[in-house]
Amino acid sequence: GNSVTQMEGPVTLSEEAFLTINCTYTATGYPSLFWYVQYPGEGLQLLLKATKADDKGSNKGFEATYRKETTSFHLEKGSVQVSDSAVYFCALGANTGNQFYFGTGTSLTVIP
Amino acid sequence: GAVVSQHPSRVICKSGTSVKIECRSLDFQATTMFWYRQFPKQSLMLMATSNEGSKATYEQGVEKDKFLINHASLTLSTLTVTSAHPEDSSFYICSARGDNVLNEQFFGPGTRLTVL
Repeated sequence: GNSVTQMEGPVTLSEEAFLTINCTYTATGYPSLFWYVQYPGEGLQLLLKATKADDKGSNKGFEATYRKETTSFHLEKGSVQVSDSAVYFCALGANTGNQFYFGTGTSLTVIP
Repeated sequence: GAVVSQHPSRVICKSGTSVKIECRSLDFQATTMFWYRQFPKQSLMLMATSNEGSKATYEQGVEKDKFLINHASLTLSTLTVTSAHPEDSSFYICSARGDNVLNEQFFGPGTRLTVL
C-alpha cells in the first residue's frame, strides 16, 4: 500500500542553521512526491514537488530529491530564516486514483 | 493559476445548527474535489472525494449523513455539516484537481469551524 513516514517534531533551529526534515514512503507504482507548508491558521501551500525518480524539486531555497532506491524525499534548506517557521507536510500522490497520503507534519520553529 | 478559495474562513455556530462551507476553483475546472479535516497539531484526514455530477465517495468512518457534500459544477463543491456538535469543531480544508494536472491537488486556505 501507500504511506508516508515523516520525521517527528517539533524542530527548533537558530536562524541560518541547516535544515533537514526526513520523509520516507512506501508506494505501489510510481507516485509523485510533494512538500507542503502550512503557516499558522492557514491552509496548505505547495512548496515543491517531484514527479519521478531522481527529480529534484526546489523553491525558496528548499530542496528535495526523489530517491527511489531509498524511498525517500528529504527536505533540506541550507540557511533557515525566522519566516520559515511553519508546519511542513510530506505527501505522496498515487499515480492511479485520486488518493493523497500525508505525513504527520513536522513543526519548525526558527529563532533569531 | 490554480487558485482554490474557501468561504467562510471562520464560522462559529451553536450546537444543533447546520453549516455550509464552499470550495471554489477560481481559474480552472476541478473535475475532482477533496475534503479534509485537520485536528490541532495533526495531519490532514481525507473525509471524502467528490467528482462533478456524481455522489461523493466517503472514507471509512466518515458519516455521509452528517457531512453532506455536493459537487454541482466544475468550479464549486460544498460541504454541509448537519446538526453540528462541539466535537465537529475543526479545520476543514478542501482541495481540487483538474484533468490536466498529473497527481497534483491545489488546496484552499481552510475553514475554521467552532461549534459552541
